[in-house]
Amino acid sequence: QSALTQPPSVSGSPGQSVTISCTGTSSDVGYNYRVSWYQQPPGTAPKLLIFEVSNRPSGVPDRFSGSKSGNTASLTISGLQAEDEADYYCTSYTTNNHVLFGGGTKLTVL
Amino acid sequence: EVQLVQSGAEVKQPGATVKISCRVSGYTFSDYQMHWVQQAPGKGLQWMGCVDPEDDETMYAEKFQDRVTITADMSTDTAYMELSSLRSEDTAVYYCATERCSAISCSFDFWGQGTLVTVSS
Repeated sequence: QSALTQPPSVSGSPGQSVTISCTGTSSDVGYNYRVSWYQQPPGTAPKLLIFEVSNRPSGVPDRFSGSKSGNTASLTISGLQAEDEADYYCTSYTTNNHVLFGGGTKLTVL
Repeated sequence: EVQLVQSGAEVKQPGATVKISCRVSGYTFSDYQMHWVQQAPGKGLQWMGCVDPEDDETMYAEKFQDRVTITADMSTDTAYMELSSLRSEDTAVYYCATERCSAISCSFDFWGQGTLVTVSS
């Protein structure tokens, strides 16, 4: 199975908003609510940012939000801060309970 | 506090086998599946497979199915990932990650610190 499709990079200035898309198929992203997003600053392990499409774990700022329409999930970061600079990955489970990751998106805060 | 502590870096020759451990604390080991994820240098995350510690049931990604074995030892709250027939493309950081599920969703809530495996002659 192919990886989910994410833009390789996005950028924005402090205070602005950016949206990262994650496109799959009706057999993965479009199939279920098991869509999550992870943040990975350089040299560190990934950290859960969004689960169940749009829910934030305790401690994640509400500047981070998730949504889904059809086969495409989206992560929006509003009020960009320098500390948000990191790689972001989406994941989805598939119809056979395997896990697909997106290719990753590098966020640069200008 | 949940902690996943992985074993240290490894250097292996091509064709060898590596076995990485992931020791869990802070929750009941058998309650959640353990997954393994590969990240080659400068590349993205790739799911390798998982194990359910309660019944040892496993699931593997097609890419790794012929070479990977994931196991769980409930006596020591430790999961293992063994990758055989190593080649240079297997040089990567390997992460363990705990999967937690709600009624309608699952996610990787906790991650190990990562283990670097270098394959070189």
